Amino acid sequence: GIQVEQSPPDLILQEGANSTLRCNFSDSVNNLQWFHQNPWGQLINLFYIPSGTKQNGRLSATTVATERYSLLYISSSQTTDSGVYFCAVGSNDYKLSFGAGTTVTVRA
Amino acid sequence: DGGITQSPKYLFRKEGQNVTLSCEQNLNHDAMYWYRQDPGQGLRLIYYSQIVNDFQKGDIAEGYSVSREKKESFPLTVTSAQKNPTAFYLCASSGGGKTGSRKPQHFGDGTRLSIL
Repeated sequence: GIQVEQSPPDLILQEGANSTLRCNFSDSVNNLQWFHQNPWGQLINLFYIPSGTKQNGRLSATTVATERYSLLYISSSQTTDSGVYFCAVGSNDYKLSFGAGTTVTVRA
Repeated sequence: DGGITQSPKYLFRKEGQNVTLSCEQNLNHDAMYWYRQDPGQGLRLIYYSQIVNDFQKGDIAEGYSVSREKKESFPLTVTSAQKNPTAFYLCASSGGGKTGSRKPQHFGDGTRLSIL
């Protein structure tokens, strides 16, 4: 299957700071999703972004498919942004391969 | 509101028991999935189904079984053959068809299974 590496594994931010999370993958993909898992375990869809750039409020994402990476930007972070961020990718089958996640802690 | 409902939220199993986790969706999605998450790790695919009456093994299918008799439902049975069943189980669904692999997956809230 496709290998997915996320960095950094942990990130501690002061409220109001900006940050960038990275996702590298080992093969071409036609599905790439970013999720936020909150402390209760709920997995929230952030972006479906196999290529290009999207923005949603303080969050934005860019995928450069030809270079096999995606970036998630968090601007003006808030304590509610805390949690684990996962990148997941898929190719021509229905399977999604998940990275190990980036744990983000935003301090007030 | 459309969504994916998993039940129960918490489940306890005795040694040697089979247990069944429920997953129901009203999104009219063709494809459904089961994932397992262990503490501090990402999700791993157990089984998936692209269409009713058909399903395929994922990466960690041993000790699990599924059925897909209705489009809305995809129950997962954790059998006594699964030696380490304590985990967080998440169900997902997505659109299907020829471009189904290019459609986003949406997740339920999960079931936490523990061994007594």
